[in-house]
Amino acid sequence: AQSVTQPDIHITVSEGASLELRCNYSYGATPYLFWYVQSPGQGLQLLLKYFSGDTLVQGIKGFEAEFKRSQSSFNLRKPSVHWSDAAEYFCAVGVYTGGFKTIFGAGTRLFVKA
Amino acid sequence: IAGITQAPTSQILAAGRRMTLRCTQDMRHNAMYWYRQDLGLGLRLIHYSNTAGTTGKGEVPDGYSVSRANTDDFPLTLASAVPSQTSVYFCASSPRMEDTQYFGPGTRLTVL
Repeated sequence: AQSVTQPDIHITVSEGASLELRCNYSYGATPYLFWYVQSPGQGLQLLLKYFSGDTLVQGIKGFEAEFKRSQSSFNLRKPSVHWSDAAEYFCAVGVYTGGFKTIFGAGTRLFVKA
Repeated sequence: IAGITQAPTSQILAAGRRMTLRCTQDMRHNAMYWYRQDLGLGLRLIHYSNTAGTTGKGEVPDGYSVSRANTDDFPLTLASAVPSQTSVYFCASSPRMEDTQYFGPGTRLTVL
């Protein structure tokens, strides 16, 4: 069965430090890949997405993600974290299985310390 | 209206009562979705609609029903609420099922 794993429930980084959030999926083909961010008390907002082409994709707010087929991964990165990046981050994959469906990971909560 | 709206923002409900959560989008998106978000479980799909007039079951549909009479509206009904339905509910829409989803602000529902 298809699945999405975000191994880290929460991560704490210092402001200005680099960030990498992990996402692994299980699917027999290349899925549609998304990263969403949820600020406290709000709905989710798309950071970036990958459907095909260049495996390094740029998103909003200085985020990027790299699709690695061999590792079934789509990790999110940012070179320098700002306090306003504190939020919950969700990886999602879109797959065709009797129709198209999007599966969300359980999320990683990011804490930023001064 | 700009984007996707949900009502009410929050609600406390007695068990056994009927409740409808409203969702409206003005982006003319074909697909719409209802999710519930619970701590540690991420988002779980309750029901979805590919286009007006059609609906489908998601991962956790029991106890919920939806309708899609037109493009803009996608209400979610709890026929007889139970405490396990206490959650934050998000409505979302997308141009097609494969596209980016746009989320509403959520409805926090507490069933006592």
